[in-house]
Amino acid sequence: KQEVTQIPAALSVPEGENLVLNCSFTDSAIYNLQWFRQDPGKGLTSLLLIQSSQREQTSGRLNASLDKSSGRSTLYIAASQPGDSATYLCAVTTSGTYKYIFGTGTRLKVLA
Amino acid sequence: ETGVTQSPTHLIKTRGQQVTLRCSSQSGHNTVSWYQQALGQGPQFIFQYYREEENGRGNFPPRFSGLQFPNYSSELNVNALELDDSALYLCASSPGGWTGGAGYTFGSGTRLTVV
Repeated sequence: KQEVTQIPAALSVPEGENLVLNCSFTDSAIYNLQWFRQDPGKGLTSLLLIQSSQREQTSGRLNASLDKSSGRSTLYIAASQPGDSATYLCAVTTSGTYKYIFGTGTRLKVLA
Repeated sequence: ETGVTQSPTHLIKTRGQQVTLRCSSQSGHNTVSWYQQALGQGPQFIFQYYREEENGRGNFPPRFSGLQFPNYSSELNVNALELDDSALYLCASSPGGWTGGAGYTFGSGTRLTVV
């Protein structure tokens, strides 16, 4: 059974810091991995999608890496800003299935 | 593109009642997935519909049921509501069956409170 874990559960940093969010999954037979952002009480916005054959994806100040063999992904946020404050969710889908399995998220607060 | 819209935004129901939540898919998307997100948790997959047929289901009891219509809008029905059904219900649409996650677009959700 696939399980997704995110560490840390919460993080508070001063503006400008570079930071790393971690995601681990137990079954390496994933089809892809997505990082999502969720603002309080809102839906999810896809940040980065990494297919199983890829090692990383970049979008602006965000970079996500994937190491399928070790069951890990990291989301790197450069030069954090108060507007980055949100919950970041990692989700995987396993080959042959149609559902995303989510971690419980990392709640990020960037202080001005 | 109009995005994914869900209605209502908030809903309060009494234990034992039935509820219907609605989702309008993004233009061009014929697949819809429903998720339940309890407070402080990640979303849990309920089921997916593709071209009006259920195409995968998570670990939810039969009192959770769904429909997808010819215009690809969708409903989530929950019968015999329980207190633990209180959650944010999220709908996600995607284009053309399973596309490996590309274009997977979430709505803003419906906050259901069962009292």
